Amino acid sequence: EVQLVESGGGLVQPGGSLRLSCAASGFSFSSFEMIWVRQAPGKGLEWLSYVNSFSNTIYYAESVKGRFTISRDNAKNSLFLQMSSLRGEDTAVYYCVRVTAPSWYFDLWGRGTLVTVSS
Amino acid sequence: DIQMTQSPSSLSASVGDRVTITCRASQGIRSDLAWYQQKPGKAPKRLIYAASSLQSGVPSRFSGSGSGTEFTLTISSLQPEDFATYYCLQHNSFPFTFGPGTKVDVK
Repeated sequence: EVQLVESGGGLVQPGGSLRLSCAASGFSFSSFEMIWVRQAPGKGLEWLSYVNSFSNTIYYAESVKGRFTISRDNAKNSLFLQMSSLRGEDTAVYYCVRVTAPSWYFDLWGRGTLVTVSS
Repeated sequence: DIQMTQSPSSLSASVGDRVTITCRASQGIRSDLAWYQQKPGKAPKRLIYAASSLQSGVPSRFSGSGSGTEFTLTISSLQPEDFATYYCLQHNSFPFTFGPGTKVDVK
């Protein structure tokens, strides 16, 4: 089955760190660019970060630049998001998303993992 | 960074109504814009790409137009399954940005 499964979410205190993982299956993970998107409770979608197939092109939203790090392990069909200096406004469901070229089609989404930043 | 705005933020409509949602970019993005529909608890689904191209499998009552900084999504005759939140997305330059969304609910 073609799917993305996120894990690693949970409750963390402000200033803390968390590492999210996304396990890909059913497709050739190494052939696809990947992104992270988040959605705060009751709020809209926020694009967070992008990594290309080779991990040599990476971009971040301003809101997370310097605090979050995207990475991937093609041998393990996995995408990661290392999050540090977490704030209350980082509370959200985090989605791992596959990108299909050439039209930047966000065509496969995981079910998401909830990160709650609270003391 | 390119900022995206949408109007209205919400609207109430009836089945059969024509619905138009506007998305504006803070700078020109050519036609590098997509529209996504999201229903509660579900992943977003792309409706329109390249500002006006209909995604395969999407009903023809959905259409998109515009280029540069102003774009519209039109639903020609709203159906019960169309009550959802709609987001525009610019992919002209990184960081990509979604609009804040337009919630379409039942009048």
